[in-house]
Amino acid sequence: DVKVTQSSRYLVKRTGEKVFLECVQDMDHENMFWYRQDPGLGLRLIYFSYDVKMKEKGDIPEGYSVSREKKERFSLILESASTNQTSMYLCASSPLLRATDTQYFGPGTRLTVL
Amino acid sequence: QQPVQSPQAVILREGEDAVINCSSSKALYSVHWYRQKHGEAPVFLMILLKGGEQMRHEKISASFNEKKQQSSLYLTASQLSYSGTYFCGTVGSNYKLTFGKGTLLTVNP
Repeated sequence: DVKVTQSSRYLVKRTGEKVFLECVQDMDHENMFWYRQDPGLGLRLIYFSYDVKMKEKGDIPEGYSVSREKKERFSLILESASTNQTSMYLCASSPLLRATDTQYFGPGTRLTVL
Repeated sequence: QQPVQSPQAVILREGEDAVINCSSSKALYSVHWYRQKHGEAPVFLMILLKGGEQMRHEKISASFNEKKQQSSLYLTASQLSYSGTYFCGTVGSNYKLTFGKGTLLTVNP
């Protein structure tokens, strides 16, 4: 079974703090994704990575950056957290970027910025 | 472009049927369906491919109308365990999966 793990289930940070969200997958997948999930808005793509050190902006990249130094690990960074970044963050991975490739999700990190 | 799902929410009694629709304005290569239970990660249900057959997962089936760029998810004889939010994800020529806003399904005893 594919396993995608995220470093924290719940996180509380203060405005202005630098926040790191970590994601690890164990299936040697090429692609990794970071989504933000808010009520009524569905899953919105923040960034994705198709290879080590390669990244591409998604639909809502503003205020976020990412890092992928190793194939199995993909980090989401909030340089200076703001209250409007309070949300559920989901990481996912997929083998490649083909029409048939399923994405496998981690359990999510619920981030609260005070 | 984000696919449009309808309805936004549906409430059923155990044993009733429901249909969830997903439509896109762009040409699609595939449609993916996921279910997310409260507090859990989205879980893949099935994929519909262009030119492919109708798919089934337990008593849940789905179809893909390529001409209309629409997919429908059919939940037959619903069970309490079907409750959750259902997302469709569409793949077009850029091979990126784009998710709809979701449909909240509640099955009551």
